[in-house]
Amino acid sequence: DAGVTQSPTHLIKTRGQQVTLRCSPKSGHDTVSWYQQALGQGPQFIFQYYEEEERQRGNFPDRFSGHQFPNYSSELNVNALLLGDSALYLCASSVGVGRGNTIYFGEGSWLTVV
Amino acid sequence: AQSVSQHNHHVILSEAASLELGCNYSYGGTVNLFWYVQYPGQHLQLLLKYFSGDPLVKGIKGFEAEFIKSKFSFNLRKPSVQWSDTAEYFCAAPDTGRRALTFGSGTRLQVQP
Repeated sequence: DAGVTQSPTHLIKTRGQQVTLRCSPKSGHDTVSWYQQALGQGPQFIFQYYEEEERQRGNFPDRFSGHQFPNYSSELNVNALLLGDSALYLCASSVGVGRGNTIYFGEGSWLTVV
Repeated sequence: AQSVSQHNHHVILSEAASLELGCNYSYGGTVNLFWYVQYPGQHLQLLLKYFSGDPLVKGIKGFEAEFIKSKFSFNLRKPSVQWSDTAEYFCAAPDTGRRALTFGSGTRLQVQP
């Protein structure tokens, strides 16, 4: 049973560019959330997708956008990259959107903006 | 909004020492609490969770945590740590008004052989 898979694992982008990160949820999961983990900090919630719609959003600018596909996989897009966007981006999946549902994380995509 | 505080940022222990990592949360409504562990180079893994019932929760790898409602705390404990427990530990709670997790800043545990 595959867990949450993310790609790419590492990438380097130049300030001002755009990036797309991809995520496949754990088998049987229909909800995908994205988190940003800066060095030395805990993960911070970006947004959550369920039934192909953004259901919840954290305190991130609209440079951060996403998409969920019919097969429940998801993409995170970041436009106009800033140096401060350098972080580990985590995808997490769960079943449904209940507050108590256990969330499973992928290994993340390391983004470095230079 | 929910906030989660972890007071120990970096803990260094010798093997076989006992461990207790502190975690406090701010929102006192319906409480679900989690501890996640991140081993070097690996993804976040769920150690244990509290939803309701017995406030002493047993998790994987010999870890346990005690929910104390009056103190808004959910401290993680292990009687005897091993070198393989070297990792970063995160406490988390559901955000208020959002179906997302709020994480603490993490505690880096270093176990020396």
